[in-house]
Amino acid sequence: GDSVTQMEGPVTLSEEAFLTINCTYTATGYPSLFWYVQYPGEGLQLLLKATKADDKGSNKGFEATYRKETTSFHLEKGSVQVSDSAVYFCALGDEKLTFGTGTRLTIIP
Amino acid sequence: GAVVSQHPSWVICKSGTSVKIECRSLDFQATTMFWYRQFPKQSLMLMATSNEGSKATYEQGVEKDKFLINHASLTLSTLTVTSAHPEDSSFYICSASGTINTGELFFGEGSRLTVL
Repeated sequence: GDSVTQMEGPVTLSEEAFLTINCTYTATGYPSLFWYVQYPGEGLQLLLKATKADDKGSNKGFEATYRKETTSFHLEKGSVQVSDSAVYFCALGDEKLTFGTGTRLTIIP
Repeated sequence: GAVVSQHPSWVICKSGTSVKIECRSLDFQATTMFWYRQFPKQSLMLMATSNEGSKATYEQGVEKDKFLINHASLTLSTLTVTSAHPEDSSFYICSASGTINTGELFFGEGSRLTVL
């Protein structure tokens, strides 16, 4: 079945540092790929998505590219802020989603 | 974005009792709702899919008599954990899709259940 392997956390970075959170997947076919973010006390929110190979999803300075050849969808941001502290989930699927375990990110001033 | 709200956000109950968790879409009609369970440091596991007015479709390994799901209206779905036991303690999350940004899922804040 489909699965998502996500970089284990927690990850702690200083403000303005470069962020990468790795995500690889196994799937039959070519599902859509997603990154969700969960801020403290809130529900998961869609951060970005890509629906086909070589698509790049982007939002709020975050980017991820759908790489079919490496079955990856790594999340990157060039300069993180304290407000980016949250748990990040990689997921795949269409209506039914398969999630990774989540990566807790803490940004320190 | 659209808002999905769960209630209660946390609940503690005695073993053998039943607990109901509500999931409401506040500003859109949710034609489909999903219920997930999350164990510590593990991913969200899909339990079931419910469409308004229909019986829920359960994922393999999920006991439908244990986890009763009702989706009686376009804004409300409920998950009832019947005869709860300590192993049912978990974080339960709902999501909904419907009449806003068709196809996009909106998630509730989650409900933490602790069974003593």
